[in-house]
Amino acid sequence: EAQVTQNPRYLITVTGKKLTVTCSQNMNHEYMSWYRQDPGLGLRQIYYSMNVEVTDKGDVPEGYKVSRKEKRNFPLILESPSPNQTSLYFCASSLNFWYEQYFGPGTRLTVT
Amino acid sequence: QQQVKQSPQSLIVQKGGISIINCAYENTAFDYFPWYQQFPGKGPALLIAIRPDVSEKKEGRFTISFNKSAKQFSLHIMDSQPGDSATYFCAASTHASGGSNYKLTFGKGTLLTVNP
Repeated sequence: EAQVTQNPRYLITVTGKKLTVTCSQNMNHEYMSWYRQDPGLGLRQIYYSMNVEVTDKGDVPEGYKVSRKEKRNFPLILESPSPNQTSLYFCASSLNFWYEQYFGPGTRLTVT
Repeated sequence: QQQVKQSPQSLIVQKGGISIINCAYENTAFDYFPWYQQFPGKGPALLIAIRPDVSEKKEGRFTISFNKSAKQFSLHIMDSQPGDSATYFCAASTHASGGSNYKLTFGKGTLLTVNP
């Protein structure tokens, strides 16, 4: 089944404890992206990757890092999480940027 | 700076009625306008999309109307059904290559409730 998977689906952590949210797609997509969804703010793009060689910042990259060492995986790294990073995070992928983006099921992160 | 403004924030419609959600954009370089539908507990999924070379696109009960001069586009859901109850997001991007043009900018979303 073609899909985007994220792990974990739920995570509660404490301020400053490094964490990684994994994202994997099995559709051989070039483009991958991370979004955060907050009430009243909609979806905001954190980082995107055109392919394994190109990664760039979205609209809200502060406090986040990403890595694209292989086409199928695009982990989101929070080196020192803070409470304002409490949010619902979505990973998405598409054949390339100009095609439909397929979203993962989301990761609900709480930072206390 | 919010580049895509979506309204209303929430909408309640009776079964069989027409749901209308509006979006306005500022960046004239935007040339791709998708709408995403999100059910509770799920990720967004593409519903329908339009490019500015046409003024309207229809897929089943869903229609996008696009007004390039006004920099506005809207989603119309005809014969709305309870199963259409979801959050709807408009979005915009540019297909120009290079620079920071590979971003998809979303509106803040509209929570649609269709009463039976």
